[in-house]
Amino acid sequence: DAGITQSPRHKVTETGTPVTLRCHQTENHRYMYWYRQDPGHGLRLIHYSYGVKDTDKGEVSDGYSVSRSKTEDFLLTLESATSSQTSVYFCAISEPSRGGGGYTFGSGTRLTVV
Amino acid sequence: RKEVEQDPGPFNVPEGATVAFNCTYSNSASQSFFWYRQDCRKEPKLLMSVYSSGNEDGRFTAQLNRASQYISLLIRDSKLSDSATYLCVPGGSGSARQLTFGSGTQLTVLP
Repeated sequence: DAGITQSPRHKVTETGTPVTLRCHQTENHRYMYWYRQDPGHGLRLIHYSYGVKDTDKGEVSDGYSVSRSKTEDFLLTLESATSSQTSVYFCAISEPSRGGGGYTFGSGTRLTVV
Repeated sequence: RKEVEQDPGPFNVPEGATVAFNCTYSNSASQSFFWYRQDCRKEPKLLMSVYSSGNEDGRFTAQLNRASQYISLLIRDSKLSDSATYLCVPGGSGSARQLTFGSGTQLTVLP
């Protein structure tokens, strides 16, 4: 399997605090993505990156920011956590030029905002 | 209109049965498609990629009908371990080929 890890795996935080989730890959894939998954909604794209320092918003980007200063790391920050951001967050990587196009996902981060 | 539509199920089938899921897509320009499976409380995992009329991998067969804009996944000789949610995903065309996921079809294989 592709080397992709997310940290932390679980986190409980208080409303109003900033939270940063980390996605780390060892595959040198160009594209990285952050999704959230909630019951009844499937996976929804938050932000994505198409290279170092190249990022863009997905469909549910409000309240989130990202940074990608190195190929291997893609950070997702909840600037001021709210209860509506309680969710499971998945990072994914992709490198279509290698004949793929599909994603490899990390194991997810379960975030609870209380 | 949603980019992809799938019957959410649940599909409950006995072990050994053959089961098929259909998925319709709205973007006629989509060139590639992916089937993912997601186990409960786990990350989605790529099951099959489809770039032409279809693909086969063991007990799994994916078929693409571009004229009717649907893609199907056939699972033969179902195993208990096939129980999962199956997601049909058209290939992305944005700057990072970002994918749009639906809620998928839930399959339970019964002993």
